Amino acid sequence: EAGVVQSPRYKIIEKKQPVAFWCNPISGHNTLYWYLQNLGQGPELLIRYENEEAVDDSQLPKDRFSAERLKGVDSTLKIQPAELGDSAVYLCASTSVPIVGHRLYEQYFGPGTRLTVT
Amino acid sequence: DAKTTQPTSMDCAEGRAANLPCNHSTISGNEYVYWYRQIHSQGPQYIIHGLKNNETNEMASLIITEDRKSSTLILPHATLRDTAVYYCIVRVPLYSGGGADGLTFGKGTHLIIQP
Repeated sequence: EAGVVQSPRYKIIEKKQPVAFWCNPISGHNTLYWYLQNLGQGPELLIRYENEEAVDDSQLPKDRFSAERLKGVDSTLKIQPAELGDSAVYLCASTSVPIVGHRLYEQYFGPGTRLTVT
Repeated sequence: DAKTTQPTSMDCAEGRAANLPCNHSTISGNEYVYWYRQIHSQGPQYIIHGLKNNETNEMASLIITEDRKSSTLILPHATLRDTAVYYCIVRVPLYSGGGADGLTFGKGTHLIIQP
């Protein structure tokens, strides 16, 4: 089974430039997450989608960050314009609502995109 | 979600058991203890979770104290590939009425397996 796919893996841009990250979740997973991970810190949630709907975007800096998941599958996270402080790893994760009685609940993470803003 | 406290770093010799502690003194009755780990340049990976009984799977064992205020993740025979940051998280799982909220990570424990 293919895992969560993210691209690009690395991106270097100059400040004030736009940048976009792409995520393809595990097939059939209706819930998709974007996390931000600064160096030496644990991941922090930016936004959560249930199918096409953003149900929790309270931590997304909406002045420069945007996200979409138009068909409820792939998702794109955009930053425009990028700032030096945006240098971090951007992680995508997905999960599915478990079958009633099924014990397991976990989020599957992609490898992340490492963004460097110069 | 309840807050957790973990040591910043730990060392363990290859082939020995690695015991990673986690304190979660404010855990609620319906919250489970979850462990994830993050190997360098990869995303976090689920390891194991439990409520109050000890749990074991192919990756690790989870020991939860009777008062549920702390737990220990045990990697029985650590290898170099177990070097990673280990995160302890407490939350109500989706199948118990919790939402599919994002995970709240702390800084975790950086486990270094020494050859």
